[in-house]
Amino acid sequence: SQQGEEDPQALSIQEGENATMNCSYKTSINNLQWYRQNSGRGLVHLILIRSNEREKHSGRLRVTLDTSKKSSSLLITASRAADTASYFCATQGSNYKLTFGKGTLLTVNP
Amino acid sequence: GAVVSQHPSWVICKSGTSVKIECRSLDFQATTMFWYRQFPKQSLMLMATSNEGSKATYEQGVEKDKFLINHASLTLSTLTVTSAHPEDSSFYICSALNTGNWAENTIYFGEGSWLTVV
Repeated sequence: SQQGEEDPQALSIQEGENATMNCSYKTSINNLQWYRQNSGRGLVHLILIRSNEREKHSGRLRVTLDTSKKSSSLLITASRAADTASYFCATQGSNYKLTFGKGTLLTVNP
Repeated sequence: GAVVSQHPSWVICKSGTSVKIECRSLDFQATTMFWYRQFPKQSLMLMATSNEGSKATYEQGVEKDKFLINHASLTLSTLTVTSAHPEDSSFYICSALNTGNWAENTIYFGEGSWLTVV
């Protein structure tokens, strides 16, 4: 079943701008992960943040996690046209299952 | 890094026939693999958890007799779509759990398989 809800569903920005995507979930988690998917392709793992972490950085990516609000955000700074893709959050519990959100379609215009 | 290979990448089959999709972990052993289905412009929906040497665990609403899963070895899980119908046309993605590194149980995804039933 779907757990995560991302917003916005679609986001269109200009190259160089920052893109922020949000994700909310309902149950307790071990960690939350963000994935990228280019149209018709497989998933690329971007970043994992554990339930006891509040913020994590990786290159141009910044992820926050607020377990009290059951929400996470993904910030992509200085976006590029190549960042155009769908982005999904996924929560992982103790059984290792990943439950995906509905995703945000990001379009970065050159 | 760890690699998961999925085959075929795309397949077209006639309605009523069966199609098998393979998911292999190439450089690690995976006692647990997961099968997802993704319809166009939608998210990934977990179909079942594949356990090596035992029966798969299906998610609610997934027909186990239609989507046969076999996990006969530590590096291979197969999904067979039996008596396929056009509504089964979708993108099927597998993932494998690497528990070899105790510090980081990581899931690796295959590249996915496009199934078109005509």
